[in-house]
Amino acid sequence: GQQLNQSPQSMFIQEGEDVSMNCTSSSIFNTWLWYKQDPGEGPVLLIALYKAGELTSNGRLTAQFGITRKDSFLNISASIPSDVGIYFCAGRRVGETSGSRLTFGEGTQLTVNP
Amino acid sequence: DGGITQSPKYLFRKEGQNVTLSCEQNLNHDAMYWYRQDPGQGLRLIYYSQIVNDFQKGDIAEGYSVSREKKESFPLTVTSAQKNPTAFYLCASRPGHTYEQYFGPGTRLTVT
Repeated sequence: GQQLNQSPQSMFIQEGEDVSMNCTSSSIFNTWLWYKQDPGEGPVLLIALYKAGELTSNGRLTAQFGITRKDSFLNISASIPSDVGIYFCAGRRVGETSGSRLTFGEGTQLTVNP
Repeated sequence: DGGITQSPKYLFRKEGQNVTLSCEQNLNHDAMYWYRQDPGQGLRLIYYSQIVNDFQKGDIAEGYSVSREKKESFPLTVTSAQKNPTAFYLCASRPGHTYEQYFGPGTRLTVT
C-alpha cells in the first residue's frame, strides 16, 4: 500500500511564481521518480533520481534525492499555465520484496492562474 | 513509433458484465502493470507481470484477472465480482534495467 506522504495536496499559484513540493517516508528508497498527469491522460515521467543527494533538472523543473534517502523534492521555477496538472512522486523502497513495484504518493494538484 | 497503447479510451458497460481492457506496448519492455485511479486519488496497483506467462497480485486484485501470453500484451478483465468497477485504468511498462515505469493514456470505464 501507499507509504509516501506527498505535500501539499493542492497548490494555487500565480503565473511566474516558483513551486515546491515534496514526498517523505519512514522507509529508505533507492530510486525516486516524479511524474506529471494532465486531466484524462496517463502520467508522464519528468525526472528520475538514483543517488542520495542527486540534483537533476529538466527545463524549469528540478528534483532532488534527499540525503536521508527518505524524501525527495520537486521545484518548478517561473510557472506557466501549462504546468497545471497533478504531480506524483514514486519510489522504489529498499527491501521491497514484491518484485519491481513502486510506491506512489497521492499527488499534488497544481493550479496556475494566468 | 514506439509506445504504450490502451484501447478504448472510454468504455461503458452494464453491471454484471465482464469487460476486458487492452494494453499493448512495442517498447520491448519486460514488465507490465495495471493501476486503478479514482477521482482525486493516487494510483493503486491491481496486477503486474515481470515476464511472459507470469503475473502477481497487487494491492486490489479482487474482482480482476489478467493474462500475459505475449511480451507486448497485458489485458485486464474487470469481472462482475468487482464491486466498484467505475474508474480510470492505467497500464504501464518498464524496461528490465531500471525501475522507471512508462504509462499508457488510460481507459475510463463506466459501469451502470
